[in-house]
Amino acid sequence: AQSVTQLDSQVPVFEEAPVELRCNYSSSVSVYLFWYVQYPNQGLQLLLKYLSGSTLVKGINGFEAEFNKSQTSFHLRKPSVHISDTAEYFCAVSKAAGNKLTFGGGTRVLVKP
Amino acid sequence: NAGVMQNPRHLVRRRGQEARLRCSPMKGHSHVYWYRQLPEEGLKFMVYLQKENIIDESGMPKERFSAEFPKEGPSILRIQQVVRGDSAAYFCASSSGTGGETQYFGPGTRLLVL
Repeated sequence: AQSVTQLDSQVPVFEEAPVELRCNYSSSVSVYLFWYVQYPNQGLQLLLKYLSGSTLVKGINGFEAEFNKSQTSFHLRKPSVHISDTAEYFCAVSKAAGNKLTFGGGTRVLVKP
Repeated sequence: NAGVMQNPRHLVRRRGQEARLRCSPMKGHSHVYWYRQLPEEGLKFMVYLQKENIIDESGMPKERFSAEFPKEGPSILRIQQVVRGDSAAYFCASSSGTGGETQYFGPGTRLLVL
């Protein structure tokens, strides 16, 4: 079975500052990794995913994440945040060639002016 | 190209009533997943279906919950005899396949049990 830990439940950050959201996972098999964003009262939107290949993955809205197999991490970063990035961010894994997603508990990002 | 559609968006039920949640996947998608988000928690997988088949129901509670995805029409998540602990947001996602294919999420149905 897989599990996902998002180490920070809330991250306050000032506008135009960088942000990093941490995600660690555990699995006995190869996994695919995902980051989703959820705006208030909405569904989840995919930011980026890692399936294979380059460990640095670029996504939408200026986000990127780096897969580190030895540390079993997939941290999400953005060099300069906007007010509109205020949302909850979820890290998720699935078995390679699998289907269901296992989510972390989420990290709430609050961007302050 | 419409996204994943869920209805109703909000549903209020009294304890003991039945709740029916509907999900229409994106056009061309034949894989549907249901997830539940309890207050202040992440999403938890419930069930994975393809047309007319339940592929994985390892996350479904053993009693009162059922799901279907008929040949025609939307996928239905049915909760019988609801209890207060069923209050949550229920999200449906669809994909065109497995193996890393992106799951696209609907806006969710927020169920409140009084």
